[in-house]
Amino acid sequence: DAGITQSPRHKVTETGTPVTLRCHQTENHRYMYWYRQDPGHGLRLIHYSYGVKDTDKGEVSDGYSVSRSKTEDFLLTLESATSSQTSVYFCAISEVEETQYFGPGTRLLVL
Amino acid sequence: QKEVEQNSGPLSVPEGAIASLNCTYSDRGSQSFFWYRQYSGKSPELIMFIYSNGDKEDGRFTAQLNKASQYVSLLIRDSQPSDSATYLCAVNVLGAGNMLTFGGGTRLMVKP
Repeated sequence: DAGITQSPRHKVTETGTPVTLRCHQTENHRYMYWYRQDPGHGLRLIHYSYGVKDTDKGEVSDGYSVSRSKTEDFLLTLESATSSQTSVYFCAISEVEETQYFGPGTRLLVL
Repeated sequence: QKEVEQNSGPLSVPEGAIASLNCTYSDRGSQSFFWYRQYSGKSPELIMFIYSNGDKEDGRFTAQLNKASQYVSLLIRDSQPSDSATYLCAVNVLGAGNMLTFGGGTRLMVKP
């Protein structure tokens, strides 16, 4: 998985609780991304980062926030989880070129 | 209209046959094209990328790009049961920085 880890790998939480997912890379790549993958929708970009403290919104950013205080870590926070945020979340990294490499994913279930 | 379209499948081929996976895209400014393979319950893994019109071969895989017709395809020769997976097409659009837009994927089943 190209030196990318995600934690936790599985999480069950209740509606209304905050949740933070972590992506950690050892490749020193500049760009990091958070996607969600749902049946019928494929991979959709939530947020991405193009450097420390530099982030921007993707296609489905509502209800999510991100932070990147170090090159190696990119955090995704669900401020108040909803059932519609039940999904598989993937982190990806890339360098200057566009080729993206994916982490192992986090399965999130919001009850 | 989705920006990147793929037939969801499943596409079923016998072992040893050629599997042909197709992807169309809507933005003529698209620059770079990627194929990922995703096994059930796993993360996408890059198979190959193509930037220029024509064919690009890597082992049993060949990517074909036709920018005039706005399609990109992936051919898998001598298909094996281990090739059974979902194949995702991704496109980078001019002006979108490093962002990729993914198609919904095509599920390939290779029958022994």
